[in-house]
Amino acid sequence: GAVVSQHPSWVICKSGTSVKIECRSLDFQATTMFWYRQFPKQSLMLMATSNEGSKATYEQGVEKDKFLINHASLTLSTLTVTSAHPEDSSFYICSARTGTGEETQYFGPGTRLLVL
Amino acid sequence: AQSVTQPDIHITVSEGASLELRCNYSYGATPYLFWYVQSPGQGLQLLLKYFSGDTLVQGIKGFEAEFKRSQSSFNLRKPSVHWSDAAEYFCAVGVPNDYKLSFGAGTTVTVRA
Repeated sequence: GAVVSQHPSWVICKSGTSVKIECRSLDFQATTMFWYRQFPKQSLMLMATSNEGSKATYEQGVEKDKFLINHASLTLSTLTVTSAHPEDSSFYICSARTGTGEETQYFGPGTRLLVL
Repeated sequence: AQSVTQPDIHITVSEGASLELRCNYSYGATPYLFWYVQSPGQGLQLLLKYFSGDTLVQGIKGFEAEFKRSQSSFNLRKPSVHWSDAAEYFCAVGVPNDYKLSFGAGTTVTVRA
């Protein structure tokens, strides 16, 4: 149980285009989902927290107009990198919390984004 | 705010030998503690977690961790490592009602034959 998927697993795009990454909880309802960014050989950096049906809460320094997050249902959250540039190239990982009183986050497999 | 320190950036261990990864946290009360493992190019897999109760926690893949309040530590151990244990290991701390996790910098484990 507690499986989280991400799609796509990797994407290459041209500078200036927008890229959408999906995060799905496959066997549970996720009241809260999280988006992280990870640079090579580094730890995870929390970008934002999203709750179903409400606006995402962004961490300090993360541009909300650059990284659009939508949590339209209890099993799906999307991250859209708008007008992507090479510096946005990174490994993006989502996680989901299973519910009330459950503090554990379960992580997706990650999405590798390369912006040319 | 809570924080996590993993003092060892890289550990090399022989296959079959024991492994211990250190994790120290800073928080005023007892936090929620987690160990995750990440293989190259993959997401994070939960190894084990501690919320309360027995301070020795058993996890998957033969791992265990011990919460020591007096030392603010949550060290991960495995008695006999396998080549497949080579990966990046992250310790994480959460606090009640916050839901966010703070991650350590990670420890890379290399297993030599």
